[in-house]
Amino acid sequence: DAKTTQPTSMDCAEGRAANLPCNHSTISGNEYVYWYRQIHSQGPQYIIHGLKNNETNEMASLIITEDRKSSTLILPHATLRDTAVYYCIVRSAYSGAGSYQLTFGKGTKLSVIP
Amino acid sequence: DTGVSQNPRHKITKRGQNVTFRCDPISEHNRLYWYRQTLGQGPEFLTYFQNEAQLEKSRLLSDRFSAERPKGSFSTLEIQRTEQGDSAMYLCASSLGLADHGELFFGEGSRLTVL
Repeated sequence: DAKTTQPTSMDCAEGRAANLPCNHSTISGNEYVYWYRQIHSQGPQYIIHGLKNNETNEMASLIITEDRKSSTLILPHATLRDTAVYYCIVRSAYSGAGSYQLTFGKGTKLSVIP
Repeated sequence: DTGVSQNPRHKITKRGQNVTFRCDPISEHNRLYWYRQTLGQGPEFLTYFQNEAQLEKSRLLSDRFSAERPKGSFSTLEIQRTEQGDSAMYLCASSLGLADHGELFFGEGSRLTVL
């Protein structure tokens, strides 16, 4: 029962911005949006997370719509090393049963093209 | 910070044999997680430890699976009487539990092939 919907795959030209969308229309007020990525044959890697406000770190920016029903992960200058599967995950901000696990969907396979 | 370490990285076994995987989390991390990932799918949650206490287990964790984290440090995941359907990547992650759970750091995984 994945809470997010992502496109199966996307291509992006090297050096251009990669914009990865995610729908989470049933998100509740106490749930964060997390993004992880998984490069082939490696474990998932945390990218960024947010609750309501847009967030930026050294890897990416996260834009969350005002109604919080969707978000976009932005890689400002994609490189070949950004080729990976990107997972959008919603997760409760509170402790308690069921809140400790990340529920991964199938993610978006991003291919950065030279 | 040497990251999350998992051993062995690859294991090939025959159906019916027992296998054990080990995970060494980042040293100050009190939370430890096991996930399983099959080809083409995202990782699936198996179990969660806070220090030495196993606080949550997925329905995926059948009675052939057992996980331990003695003394709240390293963890082991044992699969008894392996079946071909157990073939997967077993991922361990750790985190420093704060108010919002914190970022999970994953290891490289242990790939199991059951013949």
